[in-house]
Order: sequence, then C-alpha cells, then structure tokens
Amino acid sequence: GAGVSQSPRYKVTKRGQDVTLRCDPISSHATLYWYQQALGQGPEFLTYFNYEAQPDKSGLPSDRFSAERPEGSISTLTIQRTEQRDSAMYRCASSLGTGGETQYFGPGTRLLVL
Amino acid sequence: AQKVTQAQTEISVVEKEDVTLDCVYETRDTTYYLFWYKQPPSGELVFLIRRNSFDEQNEISGRYSWNFQKSTSSFNFTITASQVVDSAVYFCALSEASGGSNYKLTFGKGTLLTVNP
Repeated sequence: GAGVSQSPRYKVTKRGQDVTLRCDPISSHATLYWYQQALGQGPEFLTYFNYEAQPDKSGLPSDRFSAERPEGSISTLTIQRTEQRDSAMYRCASSLGTGGETQYFGPGTRLLVL
Repeated sequence: AQKVTQAQTEISVVEKEDVTLDCVYETRDTTYYLFWYKQPPSGELVFLIRRNSFDEQNEISGRYSWNFQKSTSSFNFTITASQVVDSAVYFCALSEASGGSNYKLTFGKGTLLTVNP
C-alpha cells in the first residue's frame, strides 16, 4: 500500500482480556518493526521482522506479548491477559531493510486497559 | 549503548519567531544515522530527515534546517518563521548502521513545540 496502516486505531479493553493489533506495511518493505510509546515519551523498540523471521524480540516487556508475520507481509502484535500498565500507543513501522534505513510509521493503535 | 537526549521538554513561541530544537546523542558506532520525526496533535509520526554520520553538511528544506556537529554529538533542528501548523512534538532518533543493534531506532523523549498566533 501507499503507507503503513494499523488497525484498530483505538482499542479499549478490560484488564485480563487479550488484544490483537494489526499492521500492514508498505508493500515493498522487507522489515517491519513494533514500538511502544507511553504518554509523554518517545517510542521504544519492541521487536522486528525481516520478512517472516523475527531476529530480536528482546524488547517485548513480558511473555504476555507476542508478534508474528507469517507470510512476511502483515504482522500482528498480541497482548494476552492485558494489564493497566499495557496502556500505550503501539506503533508499527516498516523499512526497505535494516542498517539505518528510514522507518516509516503507521498511525498507531492507542490501547487503553481499564 | 546508544542514547538520545532532548533537553527541552516544551518550547512556546509566537508565530514568525525562529526556534531551535536541540538533540544530543551518544553512540560507540562510527557509522550511524540520525533522524527527526514530527508528531502533530493528530498523533501520527511523520518522518522529516535522515542524516548519516559521514555527512556533516547542514541541510535546508524550506523553513526547516538541520545542523549536524559530530564534535559536540549534536543534531539540532531549526524552524525559521514558525507557523501555528508547526505545533507538534518533535523527536530526534538514532540508528546504528552496524553491529548488533543496526535495526532499532532509539528516540529521545521529544520536545513539545507550541506556536501561538
């Protein structure tokens, strides 16, 4: 597509529920990233994919967080048993490759856990 | 480890004033990339500029200009003749080009710029 898209744009859920966020990257981009942005802070790296491979998931805050990109295109980020501290903006970005390539961001999904 | 510091949390100016947003970075890599992104009130994160560590030439794009100085590890952003539409949070970010972390962006905490009419 023309740009990175994410859905939903807003998600309100109750503590303990599972949520799945979706990212559709720029079609020619091999690399896809997930970031978490707390209010008043800059985005923080969670994980990334080169096509369907996930070389680094060390930024995921706990084992309740998981991400996949099974066909090397669309990616999902799933948070199981959500907690209030998971409330944040979740941003997806894509780039042609790694090594300093420009990352283009989607509009983000704002998650609120009540 | 890489680090980006944006010491100015908030800046408020009157329209048509010039304003400079500061960015200081730390990295052990000799090859790296610096970025600026804009986050307007609508919330998206918009790419503004990418600069590699070997190119210290200043860059100008319309009312925007960037000053990269390796000697002080700074990559400052100046808006000339600011406009209300420039009101946003501006983030500086760093990416190492080699080594084990050549994929992640490290962001500063951002500077909230408010341009008043």
